[in-house]
Amino acid sequence: KAGVTQTPRYLIKTRGQQVTLSCSPISGHRSVSWYQQTPGQGLQFLFEYFSETQRNKGNFPGRFSGRQFSNSRSEMNVSTLELGDSALYLCASSQVGGDRYGYTFGSGTRLTVV
Amino acid sequence: AQSVTQLGSHVSVSEGALVLLRCNYSSSVPPYLFWYVQYPNQGLQLLLKYTSAATLVKGINGFEAEFKKSETSFHLTKPSAHMSDAAEYFCAVSDGGYGQNFVFGPGTRLSVLP
Repeated sequence: KAGVTQTPRYLIKTRGQQVTLSCSPISGHRSVSWYQQTPGQGLQFLFEYFSETQRNKGNFPGRFSGRQFSNSRSEMNVSTLELGDSALYLCASSQVGGDRYGYTFGSGTRLTVV
Repeated sequence: AQSVTQLGSHVSVSEGALVLLRCNYSSSVPPYLFWYVQYPNQGLQLLLKYTSAATLVKGINGFEAEFKKSETSFHLTKPSAHMSDAAEYFCAVSDGGYGQNFVFGPGTRLSVLP
């Protein structure tokens, strides 16, 4: 079956702009989590959605937001981009919540802010 | 709260040599433990997981890990390294909750020398 699909793969934006990233989970998976990966901070949890509801949120400013649709697809949005937002953004899905069984990750979206 | 440490941000081994990547965790409850591998410009792939069954866990690509409660460790091993094993490896711990309770270690980059 198809894996977790993230689009776009690469993105270049200018400071102050906003960006929307998309994630399509594995069919049947209802939980979608987002992570930010940078060389300095490693993998940091952004938020998790389950059945269109945000179930948990990491320690990121309000410029980072997300949502989940009825088909479990998820989007995350970053407004007023800063240079420090340059990172690999990873989406992960699981059937009900990956904490006990592990997540399946997408290939990520590489965001570069200039 | 959970935490993970991985001793050695970079490990080099010769092809055919034993691979040993170290992971120690901290958790106030019985943990769920995972190893993921990440190849350049890719997402994370689940190698193996410990979910309170057998303490010796076998994963994909010939990797295995042993859960040692007394040492709070979950080290990853492979008897004979292959060039294709060169990648970054992440250990993760969860308390079985959601999202934010799934914590990654800083990662260890494995280089395999010919």
